Amino acid sequence: AQSVAQPEDQVNVAEGNPLTVKCTYSVSGNPYLFWYVQYPNRGLQFLLKYITGDNLVKGSYGFEAEFNKSQTSFHLKKPSALVSDSALYFCAVRDLGGGGNKLTFGTGTQLKVEL
Amino acid sequence: SAVISQKPSRDICQRGTSLTIQCQVDSQVTMMFWYRQQPGQSLTLIATANQGSEATYESGFVIDKFPISRPNLTFSTLTVSNMSPEDSSIYLCSVTGALGTGIGTDTQYFGPGTRLTVL
Repeated sequence: AQSVAQPEDQVNVAEGNPLTVKCTYSVSGNPYLFWYVQYPNRGLQFLLKYITGDNLVKGSYGFEAEFNKSQTSFHLKKPSALVSDSALYFCAVRDLGGGGNKLTFGTGTQLKVEL
Repeated sequence: SAVISQKPSRDICQRGTSLTIQCQVDSQVTMMFWYRQQPGQSLTLIATANQGSEATYESGFVIDKFPISRPNLTFSTLTVSNMSPEDSSIYLCSVTGALGTGIGTDTQYFGPGTRLTVL
């Protein structure tokens, strides 16, 4: 079975500082990994994905994530946080080894960027 | 990218009634999915909507409670039947494989969601 863990319910960062939102996963086969962002009263917006290739993936709004197979992690990062980045972030995994098209989501991390 | 809309955007319903949620895409898509996001919770897959056949339900979800239709490649409905307050959630549809848009089948894109409150 596939699973995703987001160990932090909330991350607080000062504007201009780097941010990291953590994600670890468990799959039986090779993973497809995703980050989505949810603003209040909005649906989920796709940020970035890792399918194959370069372990460092760049996405929308200056976000990037690094796939680390040995640590089974896919942490989301941004060099300089903005107040407008404050939102709920979800990590998700699709297990090519048997999960089909099913996406399994983490519990979400609330990012708060303060002035 | 494909534009995904959902109707209604929100509703307040009485227990025991049913609500049908529509998901419309501006491109033909390969797959459509329905998710539930309970208050303060993550997303849980309800079912995969299959065009021209019965939906494929995940464990814990049944057709009698959540009937789904998908009559063509751009449209799907989810009905929440005989509602109770525990059904209060955000319901989201997602799609993959939007034909003619360059969007492949590896990424799911989500609609804006329907916020349902059951009294």
